[in-house]
Amino acid sequence: EAGVTQSPRYAVLQEGQAVSFWCDPISGHDTLYWYQQPRDQGPQLLVYFRDEAVIDNSQLPSDRFSAVRPKGTNSTLKIQSAKQGDTATYLCASSRPYEQYFGPGTRLTVL
Amino acid sequence: GEQVEQLPSILRVQEGSSASINCSYEDSASNYFPWYKQEPGENPKLIIDIRSNMERKQIQELIVLLDKKAKRFSLHITDTQPGDSAMYFCAASWRTGNTGKLIFGLGTTLQVQP
Repeated sequence: EAGVTQSPRYAVLQEGQAVSFWCDPISGHDTLYWYQQPRDQGPQLLVYFRDEAVIDNSQLPSDRFSAVRPKGTNSTLKIQSAKQGDTATYLCASSRPYEQYFGPGTRLTVL
Repeated sequence: GEQVEQLPSILRVQEGSSASINCSYEDSASNYFPWYKQEPGENPKLIIDIRSNMERKQIQELIVLLDKKAKRFSLHITDTQPGDSAMYFCAASWRTGNTGKLIFGLGTTLQVQP
């Protein structure tokens, strides 16, 4: 069974630039999560979907972050105007339900 | 509130000894408690989990204990090896239901010294 895939693996931006992260969950997993993991900290949930519906986006900075999962499969997380404080690894996970499996992550550095 | 406390933050043990990590949670409705192992530069990997209908679960050298009354759970690694050195995260489900939102602890860095 293929795991969760994410791209890109690395991104380096200047402050104010935009970036998009892409996630392809495990086939058949209806729930998809986006986490932010700062260095040496635990994953912090940003948003999660069940199929195409947003279940919880209360921790997503809505002024600059957005996430979609239009067909209930792949998902995109976008940062509109990146700040240095956004430097972290962005992890996607999927589950069906409960057991969550993480993708390799995108390591973002904002200069 | 949405919090999982995890202790210790750093744990150093000698090869062959046991290591224990403790977590506590706040939501009495939590019913699923996974543990993840994360090596440097890698993603977190699910290593063992326990549901609220169990008090103990063991997979090889990994043992998880759950005390629902105290809202505490713990991971015990017996006969530690250098390959067990990594960051470990506990998590607890929040507001049960079919969609599992997990709240993660801050992590424990385990160092197994030869």
